Amino acid sequence: NAGVTQTPKFQVLKTGQSMTLQCAQDMNHNSMYWYRQDPGMGLRLIYYSASEGTTDKGEVPNGYNVSRLNKREFSLRLESAAPSQTSVYFCASSGTGASEAFFGQGTRLTVV
Amino acid sequence: GESVGLHLPTLSVQEGDNSIINCAYSNSASDYFIWYKQESGKGPQFIIDIRSNMDKRQGQRVTVLLNKTVKHLSLQIAATQPGDSAVYFCAVRTGGGNKLTFGTGTQLKVEL
Repeated sequence: NAGVTQTPKFQVLKTGQSMTLQCAQDMNHNSMYWYRQDPGMGLRLIYYSASEGTTDKGEVPNGYNVSRLNKREFSLRLESAAPSQTSVYFCASSGTGASEAFFGQGTRLTVV
Repeated sequence: GESVGLHLPTLSVQEGDNSIINCAYSNSASDYFIWYKQESGKGPQFIIDIRSNMDKRQGQRVTVLLNKTVKHLSLQIAATQPGDSAVYFCAVRTGGGNKLTFGTGTQLKVEL
């Protein structure tokens, strides 16, 4: 059982470069999320998708875009990376109405 | 909005002792409270949750207590083991949907 799979696991970008973080889940969950985790700040929600075809902003959406490609996949795009976006990014999914979210292993992104 | 805070960034306990990790939240409309465990290099993993209409819930070696009067919840781990060493996050769900607000985390260190 793969659960939630994120790619890549590590990435180094130069300021101004763009990239897309990929996420896929195989649990048939409706809801998917992107969080970022910074030291001393817990996890902060960037964007989420309550169901296929819908996306909404979370707490820290600036500088990011998302695409809910289908029920399985939810990608996060940085159009012009900035050093402030250096962080660990986690994708998660959950069933409708469920409190339990399943997280991927994370993508460690460094912007230099 | 919602704010969630943990009382101690680090907690050290002896193996076999009980651990208590605390969390405070701000929004009285919150309906679900969840504890996650994050081991080094991994994504958060669900431990236990509790609904707002309950004040106690028990799992295997873990108990969550909810005090809505003072907007406080705690995670108790019985007979703490070295494998319990991790960062523990509380998360709060408010206003329907599945969006969670996370606390900043407590690092639990188990000393042999």
